[in-house]
Amino acid sequence: KAGVTQTPRYLIKTRGQQVTLSCSPISGHRSVSWYQQTPGQGLQFLFEYFSETQRNKGNFPGRFSGRQFSNSRSEMNVSTLELGDSALYLCASSFGAGGLYNEQFFGPGTRLTVL
Amino acid sequence: AQSVTQLDSQVPVFEEAPVELRCNYSSSVSVYLFWYVQYPNQGLQLLLKYLSGSTLVKGINGFEAEFNKSQTSFHLRKPSVHISDTAEYFCAVTRSNDYKLSFGAGTTVTVRA
Repeated sequence: KAGVTQTPRYLIKTRGQQVTLSCSPISGHRSVSWYQQTPGQGLQFLFEYFSETQRNKGNFPGRFSGRQFSNSRSEMNVSTLELGDSALYLCASSFGAGGLYNEQFFGPGTRLTVL
Repeated sequence: AQSVTQLDSQVPVFEEAPVELRCNYSSSVSVYLFWYVQYPNQGLQLLLKYLSGSTLVKGINGFEAEFNKSQTSFHLRKPSVHISDTAEYFCAVTRSNDYKLSFGAGTTVTVRA
């Protein structure tokens, strides 16, 4: 079974630009979560989607948004990039049904550098 | 809301020595607990999880952890480490009715020959 895939793996942007990251979950998984990892703040939850609906959202500004498609693939968008958005963005998928089905499987991440 | 505290940010250890990584959590409801490992330039890999049942949990690569409800701890141990265990380790918690993970700050383990 293929794991979680994220594209692109590396990205360099300049301040003020926008960026879209993509995540393909494990087949059969309907939940996709996004996390931001930085040296200063560690791993922080961005949002979670289940069946095309945002079910949970972390404490990030509105510049961070996401969506999920009917095939469970998800995209994350960051508009008006700031230097502080430089981070490793991790996507995780799960069955999403709660309880024992909460186990999340992580992709390799997208390394975003904002210059 | 739940929170996770990893008590050691850096743990240097010699090859074949034992290691223990400490994790404490706070939550007013039942939780599920996880340990993940992250190798350089990679995502997170699940080492082990506690959902219910036996408080001693065995995971991959010889790791084990013990859930202690009274002390709200979930410490990770390995009796004999290898150079290849050099990585960052994260403790994480989620509530049974929640869909997000709350992570500790991470512990960097450096194994020296």
